[in-house]
Amino acid sequence: NAGVTQTPKFQVLKTGQSMTLQCAQDMNHEYMSWYRQDPGMGLRLIHYSVGAGITDQGEVPNGYNVSRSTTEDFPLRLLSAAPSQTSVYFCASSYSGTPGEQYFGPGTRLTVT
Amino acid sequence: EDQVTQSPEALRLQEGESSSLNCSYTVSGLRGLFWYRQDPGKGPEFLFTLYSAGEEKEKERLKATLTKKESFLHITAPKPEDSATYLCAVQGGANNLFFGTGTRLTVIP
Repeated sequence: NAGVTQTPKFQVLKTGQSMTLQCAQDMNHEYMSWYRQDPGMGLRLIHYSVGAGITDQGEVPNGYNVSRSTTEDFPLRLLSAAPSQTSVYFCASSYSGTPGEQYFGPGTRLTVT
Repeated sequence: EDQVTQSPEALRLQEGESSSLNCSYTVSGLRGLFWYRQDPGKGPEFLFTLYSAGEEKEKERLKATLTKKESFLHITAPKPEDSATYLCAVQGGANNLFFGTGTRLTVIP
């Protein structure tokens, strides 16, 4: 199993540009989530999904969209990038259905100039 | 509001010097407290789940314990490979998970 994969690993955007961060898992996990990690702050939940076709907002959803058309994929879309979205983004999936017991991907480091 | 506070922010230990990391939490209706390890440049790696006060879990040199207000991660006779940031998270009534800012542990040979 490849586990949780994320692409790209690094990305630089200009303010106002849009992009999609890709996340895929090959473990048939129903629960998937997106977090951002900023210095001095804990991981913060952006959006999550409990199964294909079902998504919900987390703690910091503004400026981000998600969709879940398949069990395997959970892309995160930045609609109009802002410098405040400079961060490291992690995708995760849960084998138990419990949000706390998750496999995390390697992360995407995003810089918005 | 759910809240997680970890202390200390950073901890330097000599190899073999045991210590504990603290995670204090405030949550309405605890559904689980979770410990993760994060190495630099990588995603967090799940370690333990604790559900109720008095519960303990062990893995190699690590032991996690839980009370009604806090959790401790005890590290016994640490080795340099235990150096990492240790994250604590709580799940309350929703499907949200709230993370602390972590304790950065350095074990010196």
